[in-house]
Amino acid sequence: DAGVIQSPRHEVTEMGQEVTLRCKPISGHDYLFWYRQTMMRGLELLIYFNNNVPIDDSGMPEDRFSAKMPNASFSTLKIQPSEPRDSAVYFCASSLRGNSNQPQHFGDGTRLSIL
Amino acid sequence: DAKTTQPNSMESNEEEPVHLPCNHSTISGTDYIHWYRQLPSQGPEYVIHGLTSNVNNRMASLAIAEDRKSSTLILHRATLRDAAVYYCILRANFGNEKLTFGTGTRLTIIP
Repeated sequence: DAGVIQSPRHEVTEMGQEVTLRCKPISGHDYLFWYRQTMMRGLELLIYFNNNVPIDDSGMPEDRFSAKMPNASFSTLKIQPSEPRDSAVYFCASSLRGNSNQPQHFGDGTRLSIL
Repeated sequence: DAKTTQPNSMESNEEEPVHLPCNHSTISGTDYIHWYRQLPSQGPEYVIHGLTSNVNNRMASLAIAEDRKSSTLILHRATLRDAAVYYCILRANFGNEKLTFGTGTRLTIIP
């Protein structure tokens, strides 16, 4: 079975550039989550969607970050303009439902470096 | 979210059982106990979850204290591939889609 697919796996770009991270959830899953992992802050939830609709974006750091889910099989996380402090590993996860009996399935992440 | 406390790190010998503890003294009656692990350079991976009774699956066992204030993840026979950071997470039964990760326990397996 195909798991959650993220692209690119690695991204290196200069400060000020726009960065777009992509995620394909597991087919049939109706929840999608974006997380960020840094040494300082650990793993933190940025935003999640239910049936393509954003439900909670309280973890999004600031207006430079935006996320969309145009359809059930694709989501993007965009940073514009990017800053060095955005350097982190970004994970996408999906689940069948949001209740506590359904595990979240994570992709392998995008390692983002902003120079 | 109720908080969990785990040791920062543990070591175990290969092919030995491993008991990873988690304290959650403020757990509420509707909180499920979930365990995830994160192998190097990978995303977190679901391991197991339970509410009150002990649980077993192909990866591990979860032993839950009678008062539910603590739990233990048991790897019955550790292999080198079990070296990872293990996270113990509480999730409310309803309306809680979020996973709140703590710092977890870094498990080292000694060959």
